[in-house]
Amino acid sequence: NAGVTQTPKFQVLKTGQSMTLQCAQDMNHNSMYWYRQDPGMGLRLIYYSASEGTTDKGEVPNGYNVSRLNKREFSLRLESAAPSQTSVYFCATGVMSGLTDTQYFGPGTRLTVL
Amino acid sequence: AQSVTQPDIHITVSEGASLELRCNYSYGATPYLFWYVQSPGQGLQLLLKYFSGDTLVQGIKGFEAEFKRSQSSFNLRKPSVHWSDAAEYFCAVGDGSSNTGKLIFGQGTTLQVKP
Repeated sequence: NAGVTQTPKFQVLKTGQSMTLQCAQDMNHNSMYWYRQDPGMGLRLIYYSASEGTTDKGEVPNGYNVSRLNKREFSLRLESAAPSQTSVYFCATGVMSGLTDTQYFGPGTRLTVL
Repeated sequence: AQSVTQPDIHITVSEGASLELRCNYSYGATPYLFWYVQSPGQGLQLLLKYFSGDTLVQGIKGFEAEFKRSQSSFNLRKPSVHWSDAAEYFCAVGDGSSNTGKLIFGQGTTLQVKP
């Protein structure tokens, strides 16, 4: 079991370029999440998907789009990258326990926008 | 709105010494509380979680945490720290009111272990 995988691991973009970050899980979890991590700010939720076919905005959605392709895959797209999007991006899956999810994280994608 | 505060940005302890990392939360109902650890260059790994019941929760790697409702705290402890515990630690609270499964994270505490 690979758990949660993310590709690529590292990426350097120029301002204005676009790219898609890929996330896949083999945990059979319904929920999937995209976070960004910046120094001193913890993790901030960008988008999430409670189930296949649904997506919702999180705390910091501007400049991003997502696609929940199927139960396994949840991609994050930057249409026109900006230096402010330089960050580490984490994908997570969640399994509902009570009224919240226990979340499991991928290894991250380190993105630099020049 | 729910929030999580980790008052200590950076902590240094000697190997073999005890450890306590602080976490305070703001939440109206009974919270769902988590501790995650992030080793350098890695993703977050779940250490332990509290949903209900016994307020002292045991986790992996010898960690435990105690939920204290009166203090709105969920502090993480370890009796004897190992050099491999050097990492960043995140406390999180589940957004149970919205039934979406979202977590709200604290800003993290970086643990340095001295030999």
